[in-house]
Amino acid sequence: AQTVTQSQPEMSVQEAETVTLSCTYDTSENNYYLFWYKQPPSRQMILVIRQEAYKQQNATENRFSVNFQKAAKSFSLKISDSQLGDTAMYFCAFTTGNQFYFGTGTSLTVIP
Amino acid sequence: EAQVTQNPRYLITVTGKKLTVTCSQNMNHEYMSWYRQDPGLGLRQIYYSMNVEVTDKGDVPEGYKVSRKEKRNFPLILESPSPNQTSLYFCASSLRRSNQPQHFGDGTRLSIL
Repeated sequence: AQTVTQSQPEMSVQEAETVTLSCTYDTSENNYYLFWYKQPPSRQMILVIRQEAYKQQNATENRFSVNFQKAAKSFSLKISDSQLGDTAMYFCAFTTGNQFYFGTGTSLTVIP
Repeated sequence: EAQVTQNPRYLITVTGKKLTVTCSQNMNHEYMSWYRQDPGLGLRQIYYSMNVEVTDKGDVPEGYKVSRKEKRNFPLILESPSPNQTSLYFCASSLRRSNQPQHFGDGTRLSIL
């Protein structure tokens, strides 16, 4: 069975600090894609970052980067220089080609 | 403007009264999908469609139907809604297959009394 686990239901970080959100997944497939989505209070789902499993280099998008450990099936999200607008629910997700699997989410609060 | 449009945004209805939530995308995307979001459970995929006339079950398909008669539309049908289908529903689409980032609609808050 394909599963995604986010073990931190809630986290907080001081503005301008760095925070890491963890995600682990389980699949027997070798080719897959991983995503982090952000859901602010407006409830929109916004893509934060994407990682292809066949790429060893960790993806980076401005202040957002991932630590992808394929052998450990781990895909953590690091947010640097946290801003108030980063306050949101963050979902880790992956797909092997057809279905999508999401974690239960981490609610992140950035404290002024 | 590229977008996924869901209607209605909010709906309160009663048990057993058939309803349809519409989803339309204007990006010529092949892949479309429906999710439900519940507190503590994250997003769970209900159905997905790889292209016109091609649909398949996700993790929680019971009590739902879908159809993909044309590329841009992917309606979600609840033939006999029950209170356990009260949830926030999202439609999403992507260019081809599911290895592309998905574009999400704004969500439909559905309450079944």
